[in-house]
Amino acid sequence: AQTVTQSQPEMSVQEAETVTLSCTYDTSESDYYLFWYKQPPSRQMILVIRQEAYKQQNATENRFSVNFQKAAKSFSLKISDSQLGDAAMYFCAYRTRGGADGLTFGKGTHLIIQP
Amino acid sequence: GAVVSQHPSWVICKSGTSVKIECRSLDFQATTMFWYRQFPKQSLMLMATSNEGSKATYEQGVEKDKFLINHASLTLSTLTVTSAHPEDSSFYICSASSGVGNEKLFFGSGTQLSVL
Repeated sequence: AQTVTQSQPEMSVQEAETVTLSCTYDTSESDYYLFWYKQPPSRQMILVIRQEAYKQQNATENRFSVNFQKAAKSFSLKISDSQLGDAAMYFCAYRTRGGADGLTFGKGTHLIIQP
Repeated sequence: GAVVSQHPSWVICKSGTSVKIECRSLDFQATTMFWYRQFPKQSLMLMATSNEGSKATYEQGVEKDKFLINHASLTLSTLTVTSAHPEDSSFYICSASSGVGNEKLFFGSGTQLSVL
């Protein structure tokens, strides 16, 4: 079974600064997807970024980028120029390729933005 | 982007009653839908996977007779919490998959269930 570990229950960053959220995972599969989701107080799940395991290039979406280290099974999220609206719970998630399985989530990191 | 509508947003019920939660894909056909449960300050846990026209697949530890899932059409899946008890109080979220190989996932807005 796959597992996803987020070792930072809470992180705090000054507005406009950069913060990195950590995620490691365990799987015996070679092809899969990794995700970062944001869950604000509304509890709506918002996709931040997605990485396909067969792609070596790290995914980026505006201020959000990942550092995907497949051999180390590490998938960290970097948020640049942090904004107050980035404050939320962030969940790292894993999904096998093929679409039959749902997501396996980490426990989440609560990100606080200090004004 | 694709929209998944989930209703109701919140529901309060008495212990022993049943509650039905609907999850609809509004502008696409969802072959597969997933149901998750989230306790306060915790992560989302996959409860079951439903495929249109077939029986749902439940994760280990999830009571299939307690959480009835029906996926009768390509746009609608329902979760019925039968004989609800206070320990069933939780936030329930559905998601639907779409695209080639069901690669894309879209989430509903969730349902807060409170059992008195």
